[in-house]
Amino acid sequence: DAGVTQSPTHLIKTRGQQVTLRCSPKSGHDTVSWYQQALGQGPQFIFQYYEEEERQRGNFPDRFSGHQFPNYSSELNVNALLLGDSALYLCASSPPFRASGANVLTFGAGSRLTVL
Amino acid sequence: AQSVTQPDIHITVSEGASLELRCNYSYGATPYLFWYVQSPGQGLQLLLKYFSGDTLVQGIKGFEAEFKRSQSSFNLRKPSVHWSDAAEYFCAVGGQNNAGNMLTFGGGTRLMVKP
Repeated sequence: DAGVTQSPTHLIKTRGQQVTLRCSPKSGHDTVSWYQQALGQGPQFIFQYYEEEERQRGNFPDRFSGHQFPNYSSELNVNALLLGDSALYLCASSPPFRASGANVLTFGAGSRLTVL
Repeated sequence: AQSVTQPDIHITVSEGASLELRCNYSYGATPYLFWYVQSPGQGLQLLLKYFSGDTLVQGIKGFEAEFKRSQSSFNLRKPSVHWSDAAEYFCAVGGQNNAGNMLTFGGGTRLMVKP
């Protein structure tokens, strides 16, 4: 059973460009969350998608947007990249709200973004 | 607002020695508490979680943690550390009635193990 898969694993962009990161949740999970982990820091919550809608959002600007597809997979888009957007972007999935383990997140290995 | 503090940025222990990683949290209601481990270049792996009930919880790889409400703490322990335990450890807090299960993480503690 594949866990959470993310692509690409690494990518390099320049300031001002746009990037799209992709995530496939673990089988049986319907909720996807995105976290940003800057070097030497703990992950910070960006937003969460459930039923193809953004349900919660952390303290991130509108340059960060996302989407969830009917098959529960998700994309994170970042526009107008800044040097400070360089980080490991982690996707996490969780089971349906009322299911066993609904509050336990399963994380992918992340997409490491470098902005030059 | 919820927050997590991990006071120790780095800890070095000898292989076979005991380990305790500290975690203090701030949350307005009964929290869900988690410990995750991250090896270099990897995502986060869940070690253990506390939702309710027995305040001493057992996890994978021989780890345990104790929830102390009066101290707002959830410290991680292991009686005998193995070299493979070298990694970064993150404590996290979430909401008991949080349908969105957003987690707030601490800054992490990097564990180094001496042979």
